[in-house]
Amino acid sequence: RKEVEQDPGPFNVPEGATVAFNCTYSNSASQSFFWYRQDCRKEPKLLMSVYSSGNEDGRFTAQLNRASQYISLLIRDSKLSDSATYLCVVISFSNDYKLSFGAGTTVTVRA
Amino acid sequence: NAGVTQTPKFQVLKTGQSMTLQCAQDMNHNSMYWYRQDPGMGLRLIYYSASEGTTDKGEVPNGYNVSRLNKREFSLRLESAAPSQTSVYFCASREGGTKETQYFGPGTRLLVL
Repeated sequence: RKEVEQDPGPFNVPEGATVAFNCTYSNSASQSFFWYRQDCRKEPKLLMSVYSSGNEDGRFTAQLNRASQYISLLIRDSKLSDSATYLCVVISFSNDYKLSFGAGTTVTVRA
Repeated sequence: NAGVTQTPKFQVLKTGQSMTLQCAQDMNHNSMYWYRQDPGMGLRLIYYSASEGTTDKGEVPNGYNVSRLNKREFSLRLESAAPSQTSVYFCASREGGTKETQYFGPGTRLLVL
C-alpha cells in the first residue's frame, strides 16, 4: 500500500466553481501535512500547510482528519490560474523530516 | 538569490553511460534531497543529506550515488545509466531543524536510450 494516495483526477471545472479532493495517508505516526502545487513541467512549490484545526489561505481551505487519516483541499471560486497538479505531502518526524508524496490530483479550470 | 539551481536541464544518455547531475542552493540550507518523478508515482526520494558531510539512502537509491561537496552543492551520479532511470530529477533543500518546507530546483529531464 502506498504511504500517500490521491485521486489522480482530472477534475475539470468551470471558472468560478468549487472543487475539492482528498488524500489518504497510511502512517498513523505522520505529524505534518502539506499541499504542494506543481505546474506542468515545473517544480513543486508549497501551497499551504495543513493544521489540525483546518486552515484557509484565501480561496483555499485545507482540512485534516486524523481519525480517518485523510487531508482535503477545497478551492473556491476557481480561476484559470488554479489549473495545476496538487500534491499531498506528509512528514513523519521519526523519518528524519523526509517528505512522502502522493502522485497528485490534476485540476483543470476551463473558461 | 537564485534559490535551488540544477544542471543540466535536459540530457539524453545511452545505456551504460555515466553522468552527474549538479544541484546548488544559495539559501544556506543544511539539508538537501534528490528525488525522481515518474508518471503516476509521485516524487520518490533517492538520497538525502541532512547536513554537510552526511548522506543517507532514500526510497530508491539503487543505481545512484551522491556527493555533498559542501554546504551549497549536492550532486547525483549515475554510474551506468539504464532505461529505467529515465525520469525527471528534482533537487530540493530545507533549512534544517524543525523547518519543514523544502524548496525545489527546476528539475533535470533525463532520457536513457
